[in-house]
Amino acid sequence: QKEVEQNSGPLSVPEGAIASLNCTYSDRGSQSFFWYRQYSGKSPELIMSIYSNGDKEDGRFTAQLNKASQYVSLLIRDSQPSDSATYLCAVNPGYGNKLVFGAGTILRVKS
Amino acid sequence: DARVTQTPRHKVTEMGQEVTMRCQPILGHNTVFWYRQTMMQGLELLAYFRNRAPLDDSGMPKDRFSAEMPDATLATLKIQPSEPRDSAVYFCASGLGRTQNTGELFFGEGSRLTVL
Repeated sequence: QKEVEQNSGPLSVPEGAIASLNCTYSDRGSQSFFWYRQYSGKSPELIMSIYSNGDKEDGRFTAQLNKASQYVSLLIRDSQPSDSATYLCAVNPGYGNKLVFGAGTILRVKS
Repeated sequence: DARVTQTPRHKVTEMGQEVTMRCQPILGHNTVFWYRQTMMQGLELLAYFRNRAPLDDSGMPKDRFSAEMPDATLATLKIQPSEPRDSAVYFCASGLGRTQNTGELFFGEGSRLTVL
């Protein structure tokens, strides 16, 4: 079992819709969770971090964390074609302070 | 404009040659990570430094890879000898390294390595 799992997609949504991206992790001791966005040919860029159960909102982005279910999600409201990218879920498993990435979900927003 | 700087951006070499990649982390950041990204494996952690000390290099093939931080402004990743399976994009990332936000990293633009 991989430490961080994501559906590879692609996830296709129409412009203006809500995109929902999901991630599960295996280490129950994990404390910190992150979403990175990576455009094709570019480097990953941090867009959200979440540390407590519940929701965290930042503009059109909402991160949701459920530690009991070992589940993290990212919602993108009013999706735009510029949101088309690969979204990487990353988890600090709580030991050694390293950051483990999922394989990423490709999001395509169609205008 | 603070950013992580990596060199070279692109490198094409022949099997068996030595490859050295360099990274200048953001001034004031005390953690440096080296990741390798391929289509098949995604982002794999190779090595991790905190305050220039290596903390985790378990993801790195020890027989051919080595990572060092000779000073706070320079991290290096060396492959000797290189093999075609080393072809990938190598990313360096740095962060402030506070306990909770260890995962808030800034990535360099990457070094694309092709080994023929």
